[in-house]
Amino acid sequence: SQTIHQWPATLVQPVGSPLSLECTVEGTSNPNLYWYRQAAGRGLQLLFYSVGIGQISSEVPQNLSASRPQDRQFILSSKKLLLSDSGFYLCAWRPGTGVGEQYFGPGTRLTVT
Amino acid sequence: LAKTTQPISMDSYEGQEVNITCSHNNIATNDYITWYQQFPSQGPRFIIQGYKTKVTNEVASLFIPADRKSSTLSLPRVSLSDTAVYYCLVGGRPYTGGFKTIFGAGTRLFVKA
Repeated sequence: SQTIHQWPATLVQPVGSPLSLECTVEGTSNPNLYWYRQAAGRGLQLLFYSVGIGQISSEVPQNLSASRPQDRQFILSSKKLLLSDSGFYLCAWRPGTGVGEQYFGPGTRLTVT
Repeated sequence: LAKTTQPISMDSYEGQEVNITCSHNNIATNDYITWYQQFPSQGPRFIIQGYKTKVTNEVASLFIPADRKSSTLSLPRVSLSDTAVYYCLVGGRPYTGGFKTIFGAGTRLFVKA
């Protein structure tokens, strides 16, 4: 069966510090991968999605970046965090072929202080 | 991608049937309609997906009229544990890889005892 992992689960970082969130998927090949952010009490904002290694599409230009160094690994990064980067970060995967629903990871709660 | 409009919130009581309607006037011919459920501090979870008419699974039913400009998620006999945010998404081709998905603000359902 397929599983998706995210870490860390929670993170408190000062403004201006770097960020690296990691997401890995097991049990599938060539998944579509997604990064979302959810502010408190709000809906999900799509940040990045990837259809393959090294292929990243950005939806919201900002101080965040994403990389996909391996087929089942998706990394969200920032060189300098802003207060507005606080939120709940969710990684999701979807089969490259097959049914259309996305499967979400447990999320990372980021607080920028 | 087609834009969706849902009620911001709804209240219900245990044991009642709940119907949440989503408007998607600009739905494209190849678009599917997908509903997700999200509990606090968790990622969304797929509920149901359909293209036209009616789809039913063990959790919910999805009603889609002939013009496909709206859809209704029906939750039979809700319980307190159904209190969550429900998202309607339109887009994507389940059997084709590489599409992006846009989550709206969702509908907050409150189930009371």
